[in-house]
Amino acid sequence: EAQVTQNPRYLITVTGKKLTVTCSQNMNHEYMSWYRQDPGLGLRQIYYSMNVEVTDKGDVPEGYKVSRKEKRNFPLILESPSPNQTSLYFCASSYRRNTEAFFGQGTRLTVV
Amino acid sequence: DAKTTQPPSMDCAEGRAANLPCNHSTISGNEYVYWYRQIHSQGPQYIIHGLKNNETNEMASLIITEDRKSSTLILPHATLRDTAVYYCIVRVAAGGYQKVTFGTGTKLQVIP
Repeated sequence: EAQVTQNPRYLITVTGKKLTVTCSQNMNHEYMSWYRQDPGLGLRQIYYSMNVEVTDKGDVPEGYKVSRKEKRNFPLILESPSPNQTSLYFCASSYRRNTEAFFGQGTRLTVV
Repeated sequence: DAKTTQPPSMDCAEGRAANLPCNHSTISGNEYVYWYRQIHSQGPQYIIHGLKNNETNEMASLIITEDRKSSTLILPHATLRDTAVYYCIVRVAAGGYQKVTFGTGTKLQVIP
């Protein structure tokens, strides 16, 4: 089954403790993105990647890092999480830049 | 990417057509109009997209005005399962980046 898989689905952590949210897709897609969703603000793009080793900032990249060492994986790294990064995070992938995007089921992160 | 404007909420009676408008007055000639929806806090789901011609698939129809400054998503026979937040976005068809802005969408409530 074609899918985008995020892990974990839920995470509670403390301020400053490094964490990684994984994202994997099995569709051989070139393009992958990370979004965060907050009440009243909609979905905002954090980072995106056009292919292996090619990444760029979205609208809200501060406090996040990403890497794309393999085509299927696009982890989101929070080196020193803060409470304002408490949010619902989504990973997405698409075959090309102008084709439909497939989204993961989301990761709800709480930083205390 | 061009900015889009959508009404924050709409109601629709079950079985009737739901017509969701979107304004994208600054759209460029090479930008597609995409529609996604998000049910509860699940990952957004692709619905349909188009450039300038009207499009139809098994889920919905997309009507784009001749000047391309606005569009309407039509769910021909809305069901309770269509209750969701609907996002209209515009995306460049070519170029080196895939920065995407979702906005806050339209919350559609289908009423029994």
